[in-house]
Amino acid sequence: DAGVIQSPRHEVTEMGQEVTLRCKPISGHNSLFWYRQTMMRGLELLIYFNNNVPIDDSGMPEDRFSAKMPNASFSTLKIQPSEPRDSAVYFCASSPRQGADIQYFGAGTRLSVL
Amino acid sequence: DAKTTQPTSMDCAEGRAANLPCNHSTISGNEYVYWYRQIHSQGPQYIIHGLKNNETNEMASLIITEDRKSSTLILPHATLRDTAVYYCIVRAPTAGTASKLTFGTGTRLQVTL
Repeated sequence: DAGVIQSPRHEVTEMGQEVTLRCKPISGHNSLFWYRQTMMRGLELLIYFNNNVPIDDSGMPEDRFSAKMPNASFSTLKIQPSEPRDSAVYFCASSPRQGADIQYFGAGTRLSVL
Repeated sequence: DAKTTQPTSMDCAEGRAANLPCNHSTISGNEYVYWYRQIHSQGPQYIIHGLKNNETNEMASLIITEDRKSSTLILPHATLRDTAVYYCIVRAPTAGTASKLTFGTGTRLQVTL
């Protein structure tokens, strides 16, 4: 398996623009997680899905952030409008089965908002 | 979830064993100890986990004290490629669903020649 695939790897945008990050989990995994990593705050969970249903979105910073999982093989994290403080590395992870806490991470998307 | 305490940084000579400690004195009976690592510019990578017994896999060994209040991750023969931030996470499984992991600041391991 190719692992968790994230796109794009790098994104540079201007403040106010919409940004969409994409994630393809490992086939057969039924849990998907979005994390954000910054120097100041470290690695923090934004939201996670089980069987395509959002379970906990308490880490989503504000209404500008939204995440969807329309099917088992695809998820998006959208920021609209983007702000410079959203600059970070965003990771997607998937987990193979319910009850397991072994998460497999993608390579991340490095977002720079100018 | 139980709080964990790890040293901020450690050094290890290549070829030697790297022993990374983690304190989790408030761990509950059903909480597992997980270790992940993050190599620079990569996503975190699962290493190993355990409940009570010591565990070993192709990457590392996990030694958990009898009272479960601390554990040690052992990389038996560290290489330069093991230079990374190592995270110790304590988490109880949630019945029926996957659950979130809370990453602390971890230990930055530097393997040197």
